[in-house]
Amino acid sequence: SQTIHQWPATLVQPVGSPLSLECTVEGTSNPNLYWYRQAAGRGLQLLFYSVGIGQISSEVPQNLSASRPQDRQFILSSKKLLLSDSGFYLCACPGQNTGELFFGEGSRLTVL
Amino acid sequence: SQQGEEDPQALSIQEGENATMNCSYKTSINNLQWYRQNSGRGLVHLILIRSNEREKHSGRLRVTLDTSKKSSSLLITASRAADTASYFCATARSNDYKLSFGAGTTVTVRA
Repeated sequence: SQTIHQWPATLVQPVGSPLSLECTVEGTSNPNLYWYRQAAGRGLQLLFYSVGIGQISSEVPQNLSASRPQDRQFILSSKKLLLSDSGFYLCACPGQNTGELFFGEGSRLTVL
Repeated sequence: SQQGEEDPQALSIQEGENATMNCSYKTSINNLQWYRQNSGRGLVHLILIRSNEREKHSGRLRVTLDTSKKSSSLLITASRAADTASYFCATARSNDYKLSFGAGTTVTVRA
C-alpha cells in the first residue's frame, strides 16, 4: 500500500517570504499526484495535479506554483507568500480502489 | 470550486446513537465519496458510491445516493467516541480523481 510523506508538518512564515512544501510518495510508481488546500473550517480545494514528471496542471489562479522533479516527488512553492496562503495543504494520490484518493497527513502553513 | 454542501454543519450525539449527515451537489457526477478527517490530520476515504448505485454499506456506514435530487446521505450506526471527526462528501465528474469537496459536517460523539 502507498505512503505519503509531507514536510514540514507545520510552518509559520512572514508575508513576502518564499515557500517550499514537499510531498513524497512510496509504494506506487508513476502516480497522479494532487495538491489540495483546506482553509480553516472549509472543505478542500484542488490547487494542482500532475500526471507525470514535469507535467503540472493548475486548477485555480493563485500565488502558488507546483513542480514534479521526480516520479514520486511533488513540490508546492511560492516566491512571496500572502496572508491568504495560510491553510492546511494536503498531498494526495489515487488509492487502492478506483476513484478514491489517498491523502498525506498535511502541512499546516500560517502566514503572519 | 466547492460542489458539495453538507448538512448539518455540526452534529452532537450520544455514544450508541446513529448519526446522519447529508450532502447536496449541483452538477452530474460519475461518483460520490465520503471522507473522514480527524482534527489536524489528513483525510481518510470511507466509501464510494457510483452514479448508477442507490445504496452502499461498509461496516457501520450506510450511504445513499439520489441522483434525481442530487443528494447523498451518510449514516453511521451505533456511534462510538472514535467516530468524532469531520466528514466530507466529495464528487467526481469522471474517473480523473479531481474531486470537489464540501465544507464538511463536524460530528461529536459524547461518551
